[in-house]
Amino acid sequence: GENVEQHPSTLSVQEGDSAVIKCTYSDSASNYFPWYKQELGKGPQLIIDIRSNVGEKKDQRIAVTLNKTAKHFSLHITETQPEDSAVYFCAASKWGADGLTFGKGTHLIIQP
Amino acid sequence: GAVVSQHPSWVICKSGTSVKIECRSLDFQATTMFWYRQFPKQSLMLMATSNEGSKATYEQGVEKDKFLINHASLTLSTLTVTSAHPEDSSFYICSGGITYEQYFGPGTRLTVT
Repeated sequence: GENVEQHPSTLSVQEGDSAVIKCTYSDSASNYFPWYKQELGKGPQLIIDIRSNVGEKKDQRIAVTLNKTAKHFSLHITETQPEDSAVYFCAASKWGADGLTFGKGTHLIIQP
Repeated sequence: GAVVSQHPSWVICKSGTSVKIECRSLDFQATTMFWYRQFPKQSLMLMATSNEGSKATYEQGVEKDKFLINHASLTLSTLTVTSAHPEDSSFYICSGGITYEQYFGPGTRLTVT
């Protein structure tokens, strides 16, 4: 089955700086890669996603890049703000009706 | 965006009893719903995939007789934890699927004493 590796497990950045979280996946048949933000005690919130036919996608301060050849994808957050502090999960699936395989998560800490 | 609700948000039950968790898609119809389990400070693990009107598909290692899933309509799926034990204590989260996207509920914290 699919295996998703996520790094780093903890990331501390100064407010206003950029943050990058990286994931790799093992199954070349995976074609959907979402990113979720989870705050303590809450369910994950979809923040951005990308499909395998696209190399990059951007939504305001958040961007995701995908390298299908290398089987890795990354989340980029620019101009970080205190409210960006949370745990971020990457995930992968083969198609819409499949469940997601999640990475282990990255605890992002924004230092004031 | 798509909204998914869960009820209850938290529940405490005694060992050996059963507990039911409801998952509803409020503003969309979810042909497929998923159930995940998350232990403290860990990632989400897929337990089962639920399709409206058919039997759920369970992931390897998940006991289908212990975790009963019913997907009675396009907006409601239920998870019943039968004969719960302390090791079943966890955060249970459902999601509803719209084509590729999955939208998650707020989760249900289950504590078995």
